[in-house]
Amino acid sequence: DGGITQSPKYLFRKEGQNVTLSCEQNLNHDAMYWYRQDPGQGLRLIYYSQIVNDFQKGDIAEGYSVSREKKESFPLTVTSAQKNPTAFYLCASSQGYEKLFFGSGTQLSVL
Amino acid sequence: DAKTTQPPSMDCAEGRAANLPCNHSTISGNEYVYWYRQIHSQGPQYIIHGLKNNETNEMASLIITEDRKSSTLILPHATLRDTAVYYCIVSYNNNDMRFGAGTRLTVKP
Repeated sequence: DGGITQSPKYLFRKEGQNVTLSCEQNLNHDAMYWYRQDPGQGLRLIYYSQIVNDFQKGDIAEGYSVSREKKESFPLTVTSAQKNPTAFYLCASSQGYEKLFFGSGTQLSVL
Repeated sequence: DAKTTQPPSMDCAEGRAANLPCNHSTISGNEYVYWYRQIHSQGPQYIIHGLKNNETNEMASLIITEDRKSSTLILPHATLRDTAVYYCIVSYNNNDMRFGAGTRLTVKP
C-alpha cells in the first residue's frame, strides 16, 4: 500500500542532544512537509520541500533542520537549539496542489 | 495565524447530520476552502475542498456561501467513528496551510 511512514512512533531526547525523525513516502509525491502539534492546538509548519535538494522554512523553523536528498525521504533533525522540543511531529506529502497525505506522527519527549 | 474561525466544540447524536460551521471573512478570490479531520494521536485526514461551488463526496458535503465568507461541512449520518477534531483551512497552495485549533466533534450514542 502507498503511504507515508514515520519512525519512531515515540522518541526521547536528552538535554543537548540532536535527534532525527524519519519520514518516508512511496506515493511518488514531489512535495513533503513537517508540522509540529502541541497538546490541544493546531498544526504549525516547520519546513517544506517542493523538490529534491530544495526546502523552505515554515513558520517555526528555528531549532530544526531538514534535508531532501531523495524524493521519498525528508528527515527532520531537532537540534539542541530547540529549547522546547516536546510535541507531536507530523510529516505530510502532496503532489502539486492536491490534498495532503499525513503520516501517523512521532511523539517526541525530553528526558 | 489561521484565517478561519471555528467553534471549539460541538456534539451530535449518532445517525443525525453533523453541521460544522467555519467563518473565513478575509478569504481571497484564489483561495480554496479545505476540510481535514484528526482522530486522536493520528495524522489529519483530508475530507473535502471547494472554491465557490458546493461540493459532495463519499465522506461529506461542503456548502460555501455566495459571498464565500463562510462555509459548512456536513456529515450526513454521523457515526461514533466521526468523533474527531475538524479543521477548516483556507489556502491557495499547500505551503500556506494553516491548521488552527479546529472544532472537536463528539458523536454521542
